[in-house]
Amino acid sequence: QSDLIQSRSVSGSPGQSVTISCTGSSSDVGGYNSVSWYQQRPGKAPQLMISDVTKRPSGVPDRFSGSKSGNTASLTISGLQAEDEADYYCCSYAGRYTFVRFGGGTKLTVL
Amino acid sequence: QLRLQESGPGLVKPSETLSLTCTVSGGSVSSYSSYWGWIRQSPGKGLEWIGSLYYTGSSYYNPALKSRVTLSVDTSKDQFSLGLGSLTAADTAVYYCARHIGLRWHPYWNFDLWGRGTLVTVSS
Repeated sequence: QSDLIQSRSVSGSPGQSVTISCTGSSSDVGGYNSVSWYQQRPGKAPQLMISDVTKRPSGVPDRFSGSKSGNTASLTISGLQAEDEADYYCCSYAGRYTFVRFGGGTKLTVL
Repeated sequence: QLRLQESGPGLVKPSETLSLTCTVSGGSVSSYSSYWGWIRQSPGKGLEWIGSLYYTGSSYYNPALKSRVTLSVDTSKDQFSLGLGSLTAADTAVYYCARHIGLRWHPYWNFDLWGRGTLVTVSS
């Protein structure tokens, strides 16, 4: 099975907006509204930031938003803050035989 | 407050079987609305889902690992466990246990609670 495709790195200055993309296929991202995004700081466990494409769990700042178009899902972080510097992973349901695929991760650097 | 904690050996030999346990505290592994999963992360690499199970024992596996994976649950101890056989150096990773919401036969695949992870090194 192939990972979902994410750009390896993205950067932005404080206050700016950045978008991280996650490209799959009609068998995963495009076929289901079951995309989630995780933030992972160094040495820590991942934390759920977005579920079911657009839903923000309690406690996640509203600066984080998710969307999907076709086979590509996106995570947008607006009003970038230094604390947002981390690795971000997408994850999608991939059907009744594969179940779950993760993206390779994107490293966000806040300049 | 629900918490998850992984436990197991930090070093295992090639060809042997890894056994890890995740203890659920502040709640019950028998929750009707929870699935319990294992996810690993090789050093410097991304996340890989291994498998998930419901407290009844029904389980879901990554097809790439299915032949080597055993999942089990002990409701009396509020624990669930991972067995991974025929280990090679490629299995060296941080292993996380995690929860995702769902009902019997209908999991949702959003991992909303994670343990801190445990590093397992496969080496002779």
